[in-house]
Amino acid sequence: EAQVTQNPRYLITVTGKKLTVTCSQNMNHEYMSWYRQDPGLGLRQIYYSMNVEVTDKGDVPEGYKVSRKEKRNFPLILESPSPNQTSLYFCASSLLGGVNEQFFGPGTRLTVL
Amino acid sequence: AQKITQTQPGMFVQEKEAVTLDCTYDTSDPSYGLFWYKQPSSGEMIFLIYQGSYDQQNATEGRYSLNFQKARKSANLVISASQLGDSAMYFCAMREMNRDDKIIFGKGTRLHILP
Repeated sequence: EAQVTQNPRYLITVTGKKLTVTCSQNMNHEYMSWYRQDPGLGLRQIYYSMNVEVTDKGDVPEGYKVSRKEKRNFPLILESPSPNQTSLYFCASSLLGGVNEQFFGPGTRLTVL
Repeated sequence: AQKITQTQPGMFVQEKEAVTLDCTYDTSDPSYGLFWYKQPSSGEMIFLIYQGSYDQQNATEGRYSLNFQKARKSANLVISASQLGDSAMYFCAMREMNRDDKIIFGKGTRLHILP
């Protein structure tokens, strides 16, 4: 089954404790992206990648890191999480190009205390 | 700068009526794609419909159609014969083809279908 998986689905952590949210897709998509969703703000792009070893900042990259060492995986790293990073995070993938819709993972709800 | 605006934070519509969700956009790229996604209360993001900037006809997918008015930079989603299961959050998104493939979303419209 074609899908985007994220882990963990739920995470409660404390300020400053490094964490990684994994994202994997099995559709051989070149493009992968991370979003955060906050009430009243919609989805905002954090980072995206158009291929292996190619990553670019989205609109809200501060406090986040990503890597793309393999085509299928695109982990999101919070080196020192803060409470303002409490949010719902989505990973998505697609083929390159403006005609292609994104396929979304199920989301990761992160709470930073 | 690219921008997506959804001016309706929330809407209430009677079941079986048609509903229009507004979306306006701003871009300097002549080539772009516009997308609508649905997010039910369970949280997943579901792709609904796509419109390309060079498409001559408005896109349709079942009960969903996109009222694309390029000169006005608007891409409104029309849902015909609404159903209770249409109650959800709806997001408009834009993807520019000639730039760096950033994707931006609007803030969303929460649609409530009343029985």
